[in-house]
Amino acid sequence: AQKITQTQPGMFVQEKEAVTLDCTYDTSDQSYGLFWYKQPSSGEMIFLIYQGSYDEQNATEGRYSLNFQKARKSANLVISASQLGDSAMYFCAMREGDSGGGADGLTFGKGTHLIIQP
Amino acid sequence: DTGVSQNPRHKITKRGQNVTFRCDPISEHNRLYWYRQTLGQGPEFLTYFQNEAQLEKSRLLSDRFSAERPKGSFSTLEIQRTEQGDSAMYLCASTPLGLSSYNEQFFGPGTRLTVL
Repeated sequence: AQKITQTQPGMFVQEKEAVTLDCTYDTSDQSYGLFWYKQPSSGEMIFLIYQGSYDEQNATEGRYSLNFQKARKSANLVISASQLGDSAMYFCAMREGDSGGGADGLTFGKGTHLIIQP
Repeated sequence: DTGVSQNPRHKITKRGQNVTFRCDPISEHNRLYWYRQTLGQGPEFLTYFQNEAQLEKSRLLSDRFSAERPKGSFSTLEIQRTEQGDSAMYLCASTPLGLSSYNEQFFGPGTRLTVL
């Protein structure tokens, strides 16, 4: 079974609209971390936001927020007021057994290709 | 700029040849990771180092792959007897050893390998 599932291969959104990118995960660990990365056409992975499994509040970073629903095992990324520069691939990732120190490799989903239209 | 750097950025080789990639992590980052990303997929974890010790290897890392980090600074990833299926982007990431609960991984620009 896929550990990270991103069901939207591609999305088109009008500039200035909010957009939600879906991510569901599968783990039996009680402690884990969830990440979102942006990958523009240049190829570099850019960290956006993090949510720990024990964090009670949804993470926010500027225009990015993470809608964390633990019981549903979902960690959707919300981008408010989208901009043309937000066009990129977006990857959801998980690190299991997040006991502190963040040693383990990340497991990534297949990504969502977001295109912002003027 | 003190980000993660990778060399070369592009490598074209013939099937059966050996290739070696280099990753220079952010200074003083103790942990270094290698990932592979094929077209249309997310990155897949290959291996990781803490200082010079290789602590984890994915089953994706076949016997033809070897990674080293001899002095705990830069790392090399070698692929022997390359196959067409090895064509991918090879990404390196680093993170500091700290008490933070998550330790964001900082990625380099990647090395794109094409095996003809």
